[in-house]
Amino acid sequence: KQEVTQIPAALSVPEGENLVLNCSFTDSAIYNLQWFRQDPGKGLTSLLLIQSSQREQTSGRLNASLDKSSGRSTLYIAASQPGDSATYLCAVAWGNQFYFGTGTSLTVIP
Amino acid sequence: GAGVSQSPSNKVTEKGKDVELRCDPISGHTALYWYRQSLGQGLEFLIYFQGNSAPDKSGLPSDRFSAERTGGSVSTLTIQRTQQEDSAVYLCASSRDRSGNTIYFGEGSWLTVV
Repeated sequence: KQEVTQIPAALSVPEGENLVLNCSFTDSAIYNLQWFRQDPGKGLTSLLLIQSSQREQTSGRLNASLDKSSGRSTLYIAASQPGDSATYLCAVAWGNQFYFGTGTSLTVIP
Repeated sequence: GAGVSQSPSNKVTEKGKDVELRCDPISGHTALYWYRQSLGQGLEFLIYFQGNSAPDKSGLPSDRFSAERTGGSVSTLTIQRTQQEDSAVYLCASSRDRSGNTIYFGEGSWLTVV
């Protein structure tokens, strides 16, 4: 069974700081890993997709890395802004499903 | 449409009534997923459709839950004899196929059972 864990559960940082969110998974036979953002009362918005053969993906101030053999991924957010405040979820494609972590709730303080 | 569309966006129903939730995936996407997210909880897999294959129903929590996908496009999730513990947001997602592609979510259907 695949289990996805995200640490920390919550994070509060001042505006402008760089930060790292962590995601770990127990079975490395994944197709891909995705990072999502969820705003309160909204659905999930895809941020980055890393295929199993890739090591990292970048989009603007976001950089996601994947170390499949160790079952880890990180999401790096540079120069954080108040608008980055949201819950960030990672998900791995394994078998027929996507398995989700419980998320990291990020608050960026102006 | 441009994205995954779900309806209704909000539904309040009385305990014991049946509800139907609709999902219209992105055109051309063969894979369709239903997830449930309870307050403060992670996403719970419910059911997965891939093309014309038999759906993976392994996540449905009880026989009160069922789903179908007509013509390989629109899907309906039905909850019979709703219970208060069914209150959650029901999220639908689609992707181009099962593996290797981005999964796109709708805004969800927020169900409250009173």
